[in-house]
Parts: sequence; structure tokens; C-alpha cells
Amino acid sequence: GAVVSQHPSWVICKSGTSVKIECRSLDFQATTMFWYRQFPKQSLMLMATSNEGSKATYEQGVEKDKFLINHASLTLSTLTVTSAHPEDSSFYICSVTGDGEQFFGPGTRLTVL
Amino acid sequence: DAKTTQPTSMDCAEGRAANLPCNHSTISGNEYVYWYRQIHSQGPQYIIHGLKNNETNEMASLIITEDRKSSTLILPHATLRDTAVYYCIVRPTGGFKTIFGAGTRLFVKA
Repeated sequence: GAVVSQHPSWVICKSGTSVKIECRSLDFQATTMFWYRQFPKQSLMLMATSNEGSKATYEQGVEKDKFLINHASLTLSTLTVTSAHPEDSSFYICSVTGDGEQFFGPGTRLTVL
Repeated sequence: DAKTTQPTSMDCAEGRAANLPCNHSTISGNEYVYWYRQIHSQGPQYIIHGLKNNETNEMASLIITEDRKSSTLILPHATLRDTAVYYCIVRPTGGFKTIFGAGTRLFVKA
């Protein structure tokens, strides 16, 4: 199966700062990546679909100006949480599709103080 | 909204088979049944998927009813490391926009 990495694995930041999370597909080119977030004891919630070379498609209720997604290459998508607040603290997970399957990254835990 | 219904939690004794049910009564003809699991603080892990025939791999078996309205994931010999949340998902062929439901929290006990 595909290997998906995320960086950083965890991050702590102050309220009002911006945080960038990277998602990399290590062994194949991914034209589409997905971003999810997960609050404690809840299921994964799809945030957006990231398409290489074009604008991301956001799910209803997800602020596109707050969660900036860039998919500049076939192996890298980034999620930037702008002006983070404590309520943005969550587990962020990316996913890539390839070989007819969907594979998930290990997740990034964001804590906003 | 998720298209599947699963029990909130289940217990299983170590070494015994864990049978996790899933109801997907509104499944469409082109939708597959997928199972993923998520161990605490990790990303979801693919387990198995099927369309209408029963499937088996090194991790588990998937039994789909003839009318395709429900399925059961079977872990033949559960270990403590199988403690996780198991998600049953229906998804069309070639579609990867996976919507997760609440899943089943499986506790494997020694």
C-alpha cells in the first residue's frame, strides 16, 4: 500500500498564529488528496478535497479562508490553519488515493493555546 | 450523512473471533463496502473491501449478505492490538470521498 507521511506529527502554537501541516505521498503521484479533522472521541470529518494544480473543494461549513490548502505538486499537499484559536485544536489527517485505494497519513495533532 | 449503521462498542476475548456487524440498507448497486480501523491517535488503516462476494485477506474476512444490505467483518483470532475503532463505509467504484460514520469501538480483552 501507499506510504503517506505528515509533518509535523504534533504542534503546539499560540492563539492567533498560523500553522502549516504537510502531507506527502512517498511512493506514487497523487492527483487528489483529502484533508480530515477529528476531535477527541469523534469520527473523522472531511474538510476538503485537494486537487493538484487547482483550487481545493471545501465541505459545507469549512471556512476556506481559515483552512488554506495548497496542492502544488503530485506528492505534496499543505494545510495551513490561519489565525488559529483553541477551538481549532484537533487531529488533522490527510489521505491520498492510488492503486485504486485510499490511504491515510498518521495524522498531526494541533494544540492551540 | 454516513450511509451505514454500526454498534457503538463491542467486547471480544483475546484469541476469539471478533464479528463486527454493519447495516447499509440503502447501498447502491455500484457501491462497495469498505472497512477501515483506527487505532488510538493514528490514521485509519485499510482492512478489506468487497462488492457482493465474501472476501478474505491476511487481516480479516468480509461477509456480505445476498441482498447486500448488511455485512460482517470477522477478525478470526483477535489480539490486544486489534483494539481500535472500526469503520464500515460504502463508497462507489472509483470514488474516494470517504465519509466516516461513528464506527464501532472494539475492545479486545485478555
